[in-house]
Amino acid sequence: KQEVTQIPAALSVPEGENLVLNCSFTDSAIYNLQWFRQDPGKGLTSLLLIQSSQREQTSGRLNASLDKSSGRSTLYIAASQPGDSATYLCAVTGNTPLVFGKGTRLSVIA
Amino acid sequence: EPEVTQTPSHQVTQMGQEVILRCVPISNHLYFYWYRQILGQKVEFLVSFYNNEISEKSEIFDDQFSVERPDGSNFTLKIRSTKLEDSAMYFCASSEVHLREKLFFGSGTQLSVL
Repeated sequence: KQEVTQIPAALSVPEGENLVLNCSFTDSAIYNLQWFRQDPGKGLTSLLLIQSSQREQTSGRLNASLDKSSGRSTLYIAASQPGDSATYLCAVTGNTPLVFGKGTRLSVIA
Repeated sequence: EPEVTQTPSHQVTQMGQEVILRCVPISNHLYFYWYRQILGQKVEFLVSFYNNEISEKSEIFDDQFSVERPDGSNFTLKIRSTKLEDSAMYFCASSEVHLREKLFFGSGTQLSVL
């Protein structure tokens, strides 16, 4: 059974800092990995999708990498802003639809 | 960008009552999903639906749950006899292709069972 773990559970950084969020998964037989953003009490906004054949994806200040063989992904956020404060969720799709991690709650302090 | 639309945004019900949560997936998508998130916990898969039938379901999706596509646009989740532990945020999602492509999520329905 696929398990997804995200470390750290919470992170607080000053504005402008670059940061890395980590995600690991137990079964490397995946089709893709998605990173989502969730604001309190709100829905899920897809940030990046990495197919299993890809190593990384970039969107603006966000860069996600995937090391499928080791079961790891990172989300790099450059020059963080207070508006980046949210919970970031990692999810993988294998033989079953998306399996989510519990998320990293990010606070960017102005 | 096309969106998945969910209604209502909040639903309060009494224990034992039936509720129907509604979703309008993105129009050209063929695969539909329901997920839920109990407060403070992970987002959990409930069920996937394709070609007017359930393609996969989790152990959470027991006999009190059902899904339906009553017309060409709506996708519904029915909970027959709600329990306190059904209180959660319920998310609908859709995708063009199963598993390999991006899932697009709605903004959710917050269900509170009293």
